[in-house]
Amino acid sequence: GAVVSQHPSRVICKSGTSVKIECRSLDFQATTMFWYRQFPKKSLMLMATSNEGSKATYEQGVEKDKFLINHASLTLSTLTVTSAHPEDSSFYICSAPGLAGFGTETQYFGPGTRLLVL
Amino acid sequence: DAKTTQPPSMDCAEGRAANLPCNHSTISGNEYVYWYRQIHSQGPQYIIHGLKNNETNEMASLIITEDRKSSTLILPHATLRDTAVYYCIVRVVYSGNTPLVFGKGTRLSVIA
Repeated sequence: GAVVSQHPSRVICKSGTSVKIECRSLDFQATTMFWYRQFPKKSLMLMATSNEGSKATYEQGVEKDKFLINHASLTLSTLTVTSAHPEDSSFYICSAPGLAGFGTETQYFGPGTRLLVL
Repeated sequence: DAKTTQPPSMDCAEGRAANLPCNHSTISGNEYVYWYRQIHSQGPQYIIHGLKNNETNEMASLIITEDRKSSTLILPHATLRDTAVYYCIVRVVYSGNTPLVFGKGTRLSVIA
């Protein structure tokens, strides 16, 4: 199946600093990628849709000025958490649509990035 | 996308078959049933999907009832590495530009 990578896998930062998370589709192109956030023992919650060549669309309640998304190429989307605070500590996961056989598609997920803000 | 209902947790003995049920009584004719799993501290992993016929791949089998209102994911010989949260999601095919909506899933514990 298709492979999606994320970098870094884990990051610890001080409150008030910014953190950039990269999401790459390694063997396929993705005009759209999705960013999710997951708190402990909770399910994945969609944060935003990243669109190559255009602005990202954010889910209700997600601050677009705090979570900056840039889809710079057909294989790379970045999520920047600006002025991070302890409540931003979470598991961030990206996904991209890819082929699943017989002309159908599915979503392929990155391994996730665990952010801890001190 | 139609809503799904799954039991919150299940146990399975190692080496036995794990049968995970999912109800999707409001599924539409153009919606597929997808299964993903999430092992602790990892991103979700695609397992299998189907429309109305039973499907099998190297990971699992998917049994969909004739009325398509429910399905069962079968892991034929569960191992400890299959311990994970399993998500059943119903969605329209060819919808690559729409995200997945995750419910609470079923937490499967495989016991030695």
